[in-house]
Amino acid sequence: QISLKESGPSLVRPTQSFTLTCTISGFSLNTFGVGVAWVRQPPGAALEWLGLIDWSGDGHLSRSLDDRLTVTRDTSRNLVVLTVTNVDFEDRGIYFCVHADIGYAPKVLHSLDFWGQGTLVSVSS
Amino acid sequence: QPALTQPASVSGSPGHSITISCSRVGGTFNLVSWYQQRPSGAPRLIIFQDNLRPSGISHRFAASTFGNTASLTISGLQAEDEADYYCASPIGLSDLLFGGGTKVTVL
Repeated sequence: QISLKESGPSLVRPTQSFTLTCTISGFSLNTFGVGVAWVRQPPGAALEWLGLIDWSGDGHLSRSLDDRLTVTRDTSRNLVVLTVTNVDFEDRGIYFCVHADIGYAPKVLHSLDFWGQGTLVSVSS
Repeated sequence: QPALTQPASVSGSPGHSITISCSRVGGTFNLVSWYQQRPSGAPRLIIFQDNLRPSGISHRFAASTFGNTASLTISGLQAEDEADYYCASPIGLSDLLFGGGTKVTVL
């Protein structure tokens, strides 16, 4: 069955960068119509979209954050990697990686149908 | 700047029905999905493409969209329905608008 698991640092310092890894199983990153997305949730706050990488390897990032985000993948190792640069306090929260169902004519996100358990990132100097 | 607005909280008694609204400000409403997040848990997809239920989701969850408002109705309210509920609507692949979330309390 489809499974995703996030891993990465639990504490990062302001102005630095951090990388989160999503290890997937039960599906292929190359499957047409499939993507892996990142969503975060600050403590006590709503979900926030970060972006996704689609089956062809194209990254699609939130317009409000795209200058600080990178999403890449390693299909041979079934990994998707999110990098956040120039960290500030507002980057704290739980980061989820999610299996995305994507429509292809036109390319549009249909749903986020399988979620990882999330990983908590704190920001402190 | 488009945004989705949900009520902060909705409550109901066991066995009754409640409806959560999601209003879009700016842009066109399309492909609405809904997510349930129980306390300390990850979100779970309960509705996609406006009104479709994934396999395994109870028929007690139903959704519709009319104009710039989407609605999620939970019928036969149960204690296990107590959770936060989020609506979402995409803008291409680069952005997914999330509503601010609605806390459902079962009285």
